[in-house]
Amino acid sequence: EVQLVESGGGLVQPGGSLRLSCAASGFTFSSYWMHWVRQAPGKGLEWIANINQDGSQKYYVASVKGRFTISRDNAKSTQYLQMNSLRGEDTAIYYCARGGVALGEHWGQGTLVTVSS
Amino acid sequence: QSVLTQPPSASGTPGQRATISCSGSSSNIGGNVVNWYQQVPGTAPKLLLYNNNQRPSGVPDRFSGSKSGTSASLAISGLQSEDEADYYCAAWDDSLNVHVFGTGTKVTVL
Repeated sequence: EVQLVESGGGLVQPGGSLRLSCAASGFTFSSYWMHWVRQAPGKGLEWIANINQDGSQKYYVASVKGRFTISRDNAKSTQYLQMNSLRGEDTAIYYCARGGVALGEHWGQGTLVTVSS
Repeated sequence: QSVLTQPPSASGTPGQRATISCSGSSSNIGGNVVNWYQQVPGTAPKLLLYNNNQRPSGVPDRFSGSKSGTSASLAISGLQSEDEADYYCAAWDDSLNVHVFGTGTKVTVL
């Protein structure tokens, strides 16, 4: 069974940093693109970044480019999202999602990030 | 803000058919496949349709999709109470080099 488990969310002050992790199991992690998608409270889905199988290709939405960094450790079957210079508008549930036939063939349960003083 | 536009709401009585539109442009829907997601409030999204009209294993054939030009649509036939959820379309955008989601449509079963 495919499982994606996010961790690392929490309350952080504006300008602060957090690192999210997504531990994968039940499939060959190194064979898939991985994504991060977020959802602000009461709002829709926003794709924010993805990374290819060996980490050589990364794409970001404009609003996080230069502040967020996606990475992966295939030996640990884990992907990460390093978030720096956090702003109030980054407050959201952050979902880890796996590629495959499409973005989000499988999703984690999400981790809440709250940016507030 | 999203570059894919959906109606904010749709509704129907049990057994009826509901349709949701998704309007984009040549850089996203016009040149790439469309995927659809279902999100029951308080839970993670779920892939509902991929490659415009393909259903992942376990998705009932009541759900169908189509694409024409720069627009796509999702149809739910034989509405059931468990279909109450938010639905999102998505596609890759060649100009922005990002995946873009639609604005989302809340489906209510009356």
